[in-house]
Amino acid sequence: EVELVESGGGLVQPGGSLRLSCAASGFSFGSYSMNWVRQAPGKGLEWLAYINTSGGTTSYADSVWGRFTISRDNAKNSVYLEMHNLRDEDAAVYYCARVGSRYYFEYWGQGTLVTVSP
Amino acid sequence: DIQMTQSPASLSASVGDRVTITCRASEGISNYLAWYQQKPGKVPKVLIFAASSLMSGVPSRFSGSGSGTDFTLTISDLQPDDVATYYCQKYNSVSFTFGPGTKVEIK
Repeated sequence: EVELVESGGGLVQPGGSLRLSCAASGFSFGSYSMNWVRQAPGKGLEWLAYINTSGGTTSYADSVWGRFTISRDNAKNSVYLEMHNLRDEDAAVYYCARVGSRYYFEYWGQGTLVTVSP
Repeated sequence: DIQMTQSPASLSASVGDRVTITCRASEGISNYLAWYQQKPGKVPKVLIFAASSLMSGVPSRFSGSGSGTDFTLTISDLQPDDVATYYCQKYNSVSFTFGPGTKVEIK
């Protein structure tokens, strides 16, 4: 069974940094591209970042370009999101998502909550 | 960047009604379009990919159509279990923008 478990969320001050992790199991992790998506309270889904199977290709939403970095460790079956210079508007539930046979997001974790407050 | 819009933002319909949600891309995206259902307090679930391909296990009352810039999600026989917010998403060129969502309620 495919499982994605995010961790690393919490309370951070504006301007601070946080590193999110997503531990994957139940599939051949190194064979699938991964993504991070967030959802602010009461708001819609926002795609943030993509990383291909090798980690050699990444892409970002404009809203986080230059502040967030996606990476992966295939030996540890994990994908990460390094977040810097956090703003009030970055407060959200952060999900990792695995692509399906095409590039839609077939599997999602349960999410980790990031709160940005002084 | 390609922008995704959806209409309506919300709708209320009766059980058994046929419901249609529209999604529009600011540029052509071929059929690289997926639809997701997110029930309150739950994780999104993919319903349709490649604009019209139904994911395994998704009820056949859900269908998708379209190509290029204009897409639709249709629920042919609305059920109480379909109360949710529906999002379209484009997934080409390693860019995966979601639409703003359409909230579906039962009248």
